[in-house]
Amino acid sequence: GEDVEQSLFLSVREGDSSVINCTYTDSSSTYLYWYKQEPGAGLQLLTYIFSNMDMKQDQRLTVLLNKKDKHLSLRIADTQTGDSAIYFCAESGGGGSQGNLIFGKGTKLSVKP
Amino acid sequence: EAQVTQNPRYLITVTGKKLTVTCSQNMNHEYMSWYRQDPGLGLRQIYYSMNVEVTDKGDVPEGYKVSRKEKRNFPLILESPSPNQTSLYFCASSLDRYTEAFFGQGTRLTVV
Repeated sequence: GEDVEQSLFLSVREGDSSVINCTYTDSSSTYLYWYKQEPGAGLQLLTYIFSNMDMKQDQRLTVLLNKKDKHLSLRIADTQTGDSAIYFCAESGGGGSQGNLIFGKGTKLSVKP
Repeated sequence: EAQVTQNPRYLITVTGKKLTVTCSQNMNHEYMSWYRQDPGLGLRQIYYSMNVEVTDKGDVPEGYKVSRKEKRNFPLILESPSPNQTSLYFCASSLDRYTEAFFGQGTRLTVV
C-alpha cells in the first residue's frame, strides 16, 4: 500500500538551516504537503507542492520535490526556537482507493539556542 | 474565522461507556475525516466522509462509528470504548479529498 517515510528526529542550532526529508511510494500523488504540529496543538499546513513542480519557495521555507526518486524535502532557513515542532509530510493519495491524505510519522525538530 | 472545532478537548472515561466526540466546520467543506495520533505511529485515518450521508472506513475503523447528517458536522462515536482507544484524535475538513486539510485542535481521550 501507499507509504510515507520520514526520519523521526532532527536537532539543529538556532540560525542554522534545517532539512527534513521524506520519501513516498504513490507515484500518482497530486499534491504533497508539509504540516507543522506544535505541542498541544493541531496540525497546521505549512506549505504544499503540486506534483508537476520541482521546487517551491515561501519566505524561509523551500520545498524540493524529486519525483523520480519520490523524495520530498523541507528546508527551513535561519531556524528559530519557535520552529521547534513536529513536521509531517503527507501525500494526497491520488491513485489510492480512498484518496485520503497519507501521513508520515512525523519528524521532531529541536532547535537549540 | 474559518475553523474546525472539536469537543471536548480532553476526556477521561471508563471502559464500555459510550461517548461522542463532536466536530464542526464552518467552511462549507465537503470532505471530512477523523484521525488518531499515537506515538511512533503518526496519524492514521479512522473514517472519512465525501459528503452528506456518504461515509467510508479509513485505515483503522474498528471500534468507531461516524455519521454525516449535515455538511458541517461529523461526530465520532465510540459505542464501547476500550483502553486501546486511548489516543489523540483529530478531525479535519477540506474542499475535496485532494486539497489542503484544516485540522481541529485535537481531543485527548483516555479510556481507563
